[in-house]
Amino acid sequence: SQQGEEDPQALSIQEGENATMNCSYKTSINNLQWYRQNSGRGLVHLILIRSNEREKHSGRLRVTLDTSKKSSSLLITASRAADTASYFCATISSGTYKYIFGTGTRLKVLA
Amino acid sequence: GAVVSQHPSRVICKSGTSVKIECRSLDFQATTMFWYRQFPKQSLMLMATSNEGSKATYEQGVEKDKFLINHASLTLSTLTVTSAHPEDSSFYICSASAALSGANVLTFGAGSRLTVL
Repeated sequence: SQQGEEDPQALSIQEGENATMNCSYKTSINNLQWYRQNSGRGLVHLILIRSNEREKHSGRLRVTLDTSKKSSSLLITASRAADTASYFCATISSGTYKYIFGTGTRLKVLA
Repeated sequence: GAVVSQHPSRVICKSGTSVKIECRSLDFQATTMFWYRQFPKQSLMLMATSNEGSKATYEQGVEKDKFLINHASLTLSTLTVTSAHPEDSSFYICSASAALSGANVLTFGAGSRLTVL
């Protein structure tokens, strides 16, 4: 399977704490993207990091990418109850058009 | 921003009937759309890639005759689950690729939950 893996599978934290999710992938990539899915809904694009970038920020989101280890992390700072959702990383293998999604992390932020 | 509309959001049908799910790109043209299936608490599984004006490309293990995909225009792709059975019950999500800052990102529909009785 080309599917990437994410850990942890589930994460429960208190509001105000930081949440870190990790993603590993298997192939060479052009970029890596993170998506969020609220329960029973479609996915929403959060942030994209290119293969030549190591870190990227967007609001309370911080993404890192280590292409040598084929891994990425998503950090959500000062979490809020509204951040409760599933988070997926997605990659497109070089030379293809297919998006491969990781297994996802279910984040629960307790108020 | 790019918007993808998907409907119906929920559908319940009897075993043996066919169900059609529509996916529309509202403010952009999508030559390629993707159809995913998602089981509870699991990731998205790519079923097929829908190409405007040509046949869809199905992933290994996905039955072409079971899941009919039509992409007749640059803004509409449909997935028809033919002769549905309870094991076809799932969450189906479509998406289209749109350019963002020089890279392609996926814009998703809200998904369709199919329940086959």
